Amino acid sequence: DTAVSQTPKYLVTQMGNDKSIKCEQNLGHDTMYWYKQDSKKFLKIMFSYNNKELIINETVPNRFSPKSPDKAHLNLHINSLELGDSAVYFCASSQSREADTQYFGPGTRLTVL
Amino acid sequence: GQSLEQPSEVTAVEGAIVQINCTYQTSGFYGLSWYQQHDGGAPTFLSYNALDGLEETGRFSSFLSRSDSYGYLLLQELQMKDSASYFCAVGSNTDKLIFGTGTRLQVFP
Repeated sequence: DTAVSQTPKYLVTQMGNDKSIKCEQNLGHDTMYWYKQDSKKFLKIMFSYNNKELIINETVPNRFSPKSPDKAHLNLHINSLELGDSAVYFCASSQSREADTQYFGPGTRLTVL
Repeated sequence: GQSLEQPSEVTAVEGAIVQINCTYQTSGFYGLSWYQQHDGGAPTFLSYNALDGLEETGRFSSFLSRSDSYGYLLLQELQMKDSASYFCAVGSNTDKLIFGTGTRLQVFP
């Protein structure tokens, strides 16, 4: 049983396109996150939802819009993709918003051409 | 603000012991976590310290000194499969984990 799953695993697209990444967790956790990991492996939080409520919104361009239809799902939609958006995007979840132990999905490698 | 420092790279041989240090600056500190990430893989949780002292889990141990804003991950009986990046991460009352820049561990035969 996969704890945190993401689709797709790879995404290659042209600049200016709009794309979505989906995430699901079956751990019964209350809190979910999106992280961006750049080519230097720096892992930076983008958003966090707790029971479908947005609780963290870092300085991210508004081309990025997360949506949490229920507490087991957190999707990320990106409009007007730019070259600099190329990175690996990880979804994660934790039991509560205290965030001490997080479980990561396998990642989505986004390449913008 | 919040910041963490850890060495960028560490090398060791199989069977050896290696220590990866992490110093941090944060307010509202809750605890220090460690994550392992193999190339092409996802970060996986290794350990969490909220209180001072040593936590042991098999070959891995993690230490925290809150007064020194310092912690380390100790890996014993190194194996080739331990070659990976190791991240320390600070949790605080901001409800988010701030990750260090990672330490790449290379284990040689």
